[in-house]
Amino acid sequence: AQSVAQPEDQVNVAEGNPLTVKCTYSVSGNPYLFWYVQYPNRGLQFLLKYITGDNLVKGSYGFEAEFNKSQTSFHLKKPSALVSDSALYFCAVRDMTSNAGNNRKLIWGLGTSLAVNP
Amino acid sequence: GAVVSQHPSRVICKSGTSVKIECRSLDFQATTMFWYRQFPKQSLMLMATSNEGSKATYEQGVEKDKFLINHASLTLSTLTVTSAHPEDSSFYICSAGTISGNTIYFGEGSWLTVV
Repeated sequence: AQSVAQPEDQVNVAEGNPLTVKCTYSVSGNPYLFWYVQYPNRGLQFLLKYITGDNLVKGSYGFEAEFNKSQTSFHLKKPSALVSDSALYFCAVRDMTSNAGNNRKLIWGLGTSLAVNP
Repeated sequence: GAVVSQHPSRVICKSGTSVKIECRSLDFQATTMFWYRQFPKQSLMLMATSNEGSKATYEQGVEKDKFLINHASLTLSTLTVTSAHPEDSSFYICSAGTISGNTIYFGEGSWLTVV
């Protein structure tokens, strides 16, 4: 079955330190992987995606993620965390069993709450 | 990135009434829109997928007669919660996919409170 796992409910990091939010996936075929961020009482904002190409993907707000096929992982990283990065982060993978074309349903992880301490 | 507008951002309605939430793609055409429900500090629960000009596809356990979805144009989808009850109170989020791309963009969400 297709799935996304975010093994950590919460990640705490000091401001200025590097951060990593973990994500592993299980999907048939080549995965389309996404990271979104959600600030309190807001919708989700797209951060970055991996479809094909370089394994290291750079996204918004200084975030990047590395696709690792052998480990089926797509961890989100940032070299230097900011207090304003504190939010809920979701990893998602495209449902490859969906119909081709318009139906691009995503399978979601449960989210990881990132707290950056000043 | 593409912009998805959701309205209203907050709505309070009386139990037994119906409330409509709109989702618009402002600068792109969206053949597919998704409606989610999110409980506090939890992940997204997909309710249904709507395709322009056709009936929505509902996820298992979601009552299609209660949560009416209409996707009449390439830029607008609506979710109507009919005969609302307090347990329907939640954060509802829509998202839309561009025709050509693989990225899904989200609205800001709508807080529904049924009293």
